[in-house]
Order: sequence, then structure tokens, then C-alpha cells
Amino acid sequence: DAGVTQSPTHLIKTRGQQVTLRCSPKSGHDTVSWYQQALGQGPQFIFQYYEEEERQRGNFPDRFSGHQFPNYSSELNVNALLLGDSALYLCASSLAAGVPSGNEQFFGPGTRLTVL
Amino acid sequence: AQSVAQPEDQVNVAEGNPLTVKCTYSVSGNPYLFWYVQYPNRGLQFLLKYITGDNLVKGSYGFEAEFNKSQTSFHLKKPSALVSDSALYFCAANTNAGKSTFGDGTTLTVKP
Repeated sequence: DAGVTQSPTHLIKTRGQQVTLRCSPKSGHDTVSWYQQALGQGPQFIFQYYEEEERQRGNFPDRFSGHQFPNYSSELNVNALLLGDSALYLCASSLAAGVPSGNEQFFGPGTRLTVL
Repeated sequence: AQSVAQPEDQVNVAEGNPLTVKCTYSVSGNPYLFWYVQYPNRGLQFLLKYITGDNLVKGSYGFEAEFNKSQTSFHLKKPSALVSDSALYFCAANTNAGKSTFGDGTTLTVKP
């Protein structure tokens, strides 16, 4: 089992550009969440996808959008990049069976985004 | 708005001594509480969780955590620390709607 995989590992963009990050969940998982982790801080919840729908959203602007595909993989899109978007972006998968919020998340290694 | 606080940025203990990493939370409704660990150059790994039932939960690598509803705390503990326990620890809370909130982390250093 490959676990949660993310691509790319690192990315450098300039202000105003758009970026797409990709995530494949752990085998058997159907729920994907995205987080932004700035240096020295805990992960900040961006949104969660289940059954190809955004189920929950954190306090992030509409520039942050996502998608979940039928195979449960997911994309995070960020438009009009700002310097402050530079961070580690984490993808986490879980199983929504039973008590969805009670299931632990499995995290990928993250994508390091640098905005210049 | 829900929040998770880890009041100590850093915890230092000697190997063989007990350790405690503190966490308090503010969540509406019944909380689902988690501890994750992050080793250098590795992703976040699940340690343990509290959903319901016994207030003392046991997890991986000999760690345990005590849920205290009246104090809204979920402190991580281990009776005897190992040097290999040195890492960054995160406490997290989920609402029953699926929204997750993480603390800012506590760096645990265990000295030989």
C-alpha cells in the first residue's frame, strides 16, 4: 500500500499565477482533506471532499478550490497566488464509514509551494 | 469557532522519565480528539484518538492520553520517555460535521 501520495513535491510560482496540486488517497479511503501548514504552525483546514462534493470548508478565500474524482483522488487549485500562499500543503485521507469525523487521517508528505 | 491550544512550544524530558504534552480544546458539541506526531522529514502520523467511552485512551508506541471534559483537555502522556520519542506533536479536534482544527504543535525533546 503506497499510502497517501502527493505531487509535485516542490513548486515555485510567481504572484498572480495559478497552481494545481494533486493527491491520491490511501487505498480504501473515500474522503480527502486539504491543509495549509505555514512554518512553525499547525495545519490549517482548507476543505474536505467526500463523494466528489465539498463537505466542509475552513476560513480560506474562494481562490482556493478543489475537486474530487470518481477514483477518490483530489486536486487543490489556488488562483491569483499571493506571497502569503507560500506554505506546505498537506493532503489527508480517511474513511467516512460510520462516524466520519471519528476516523483518523493519513497524511501525505506534502507539496512545498513557494510564491515569489 | 472551534480552537485547539497547545500551551507549550517545547517540552524537555530526560530519557526514562514520564512525559506530558498538554492540549486544551474548544469545540461545540461532542469533540473527536486526536494526537499526531511528525518526525523530521516525514509526514504526520496518527498516534491515538478519543471518540467516546473510557477517558484514558492508549495508542501507538506506548503513548496514552486522558480526556477531561470538565477541563476541556486531552493531554498526551507516556510513563517512560525514549530518545526516539523526540518529535513534533500535534493535537487536533474534529467536529461531527467533519471540520478539523489543529494546535500549533509542541516539540518534544528527550535527552539521554
